[in-house]
Amino acid sequence: QKEVEQDPGPLSVPEGAIVSLNCTYSNSAFQYFMWYRQYSRKGPELLMYTYSSGNKEDGRFTAQVDKSSKYISLFIRDSQPSDSATYLCAMRAINDYKLSFGAGTTVTVRA
Amino acid sequence: DSGVTQTPKHLITATGQRVTLRCSPRSGDLSVYWYQQSLDQGLQFLIQYYNGEERAKGNILERFSAQQFPDLHSELNLSSLELGDSALYFCASSVRTNQETQYFGPGTRLLVL
Repeated sequence: QKEVEQDPGPLSVPEGAIVSLNCTYSNSAFQYFMWYRQYSRKGPELLMYTYSSGNKEDGRFTAQVDKSSKYISLFIRDSQPSDSATYLCAMRAINDYKLSFGAGTTVTVRA
Repeated sequence: DSGVTQTPKHLITATGQRVTLRCSPRSGDLSVYWYQQSLDQGLQFLIQYYNGEERAKGNILERFSAQQFPDLHSELNLSSLELGDSALYFCASSVRTNQETQYFGPGTRLLVL
């Protein structure tokens, strides 16, 4: 079993819809949680990061962390065709140097 | 543009060969991380350097090695290449070690024939 599980999709939604992405994890030591966006043939770009549990909002993006369930989510409101990309969750423990990534979910927003 | 640069963008080589991938971190960043991304394994952490010293090792093969130079650029050396080494190799950097915000470069696409 992988340390971080993420449904690879693909996920196809119409423009304007809410995109819901999630990851589950098994390591209870994880404290930092991140979402990266990766366009085709490009490097991952940091979208959101959250420490411990709770919600964080940034524009159309909302990240949620539920440590009791070992479950994190990313919501994209009013999705745009430019949001079409692969979204990767990542996480690490406080005293760890490496990030553990999910497999990534490929999202297509149809105009 | 993250500010992290990687060269070359593409590399095609044969099995058994050796290649060197180069990374320049963002200005002011002391930590460099190397990752491998393949279709079947996803994004895997390889190794981290901080201010010239190795700080952490992940799933890095013995055929692979890395170093960080005094000017903070880093090189990843891949030797005795196998078909399965074909992948995207990313470098990321951060200001400090143990830093949650890592900025990724555009990657080097390696194809081993």
